[in-house]
Amino acid sequence: RKEVEQDPGPFNVPEGATVAFNCTYSNSASQSFFWYRQDCRKEPKLLMSVYSSGNEDGRFTAQLNRASQYISLLIRDSKLSDSATYLCVVNPMNRDDKIIFGKGTRLHILP
Amino acid sequence: EPEVTQTPSHQVTQMGQEVILRCVPISNHLYFYWYRQILGQKVEFLVSFYNNEISEKSEIFDDQFSVERPDGSNFTLKIRSTKLEDSAMYFCASSDDYGYTFGSGTRLTVV
Repeated sequence: RKEVEQDPGPFNVPEGATVAFNCTYSNSASQSFFWYRQDCRKEPKLLMSVYSSGNEDGRFTAQLNRASQYISLLIRDSKLSDSATYLCVVNPMNRDDKIIFGKGTRLHILP
Repeated sequence: EPEVTQTPSHQVTQMGQEVILRCVPISNHLYFYWYRQILGQKVEFLVSFYNNEISEKSEIFDDQFSVERPDGSNFTLKIRSTKLEDSAMYFCASSDDYGYTFGSGTRLTVV
C-alpha cells in the first residue's frame, strides 16, 4: 500500500456544487495530516490542517477517520477559483523532518 | 507575511554540469527541506535539515546531491553532474510549529 494515496481525478464539478475527496494513508501511527492546494506549476500552499475532531474553515471541511486510515476534504458552494490540485499530506512518523505528499486530486470547477 | 524565497526561478543547464539552487527560509524557522516535482508527478521529499545537519534524506538524495547552509540565511541544494532526469521543479520549504511554507520553486531544465 502506498504511503499516501489519492484519486487523481479529474473531478469536473459545476460551480456551486459540493465536492468531496478522500485520501488514504498506510502508516497507522501517523498523527499529522494536511490538505495543500497546488495551482498549475506553482508551489504547494497549505489549505488546512486536519484535526482528530475534524475542522471547518469557511466552505472547506476536513475530516479524519483513523479506523479506516483516511482523511477527507469537502468543498461546499464551489467557486471557479477552487480549480486546482489538492494534495493530501501526511507526517508519517510524527517527526518534524518530513511530510509525505499524495499525488494529488485535480479539481475543475465548471462555469 | 513571511515567505520562503528561491532563486533562480528557472535554471537551464547542460547535462553533466553542476547546479546550485538557492533558498532563503523564513528566518525563525528551524527545519528546512528540499522537495522536487517532476512534471505531472507528485511532490517528492529529498532531504530535511536541522541544526546544521541533514536530519533525514530519501532514496533520491544520493551522492549526486548535497545541501548546505553556508551562512545564517541561505540554504542551498547542489546537484553535481546533472542528468536529464533531474529536470523538475525543486521546492524549498521551512517549517515551524504551525506548518510548512514552500518557496515558489526553481524549475531546473537539463538539456
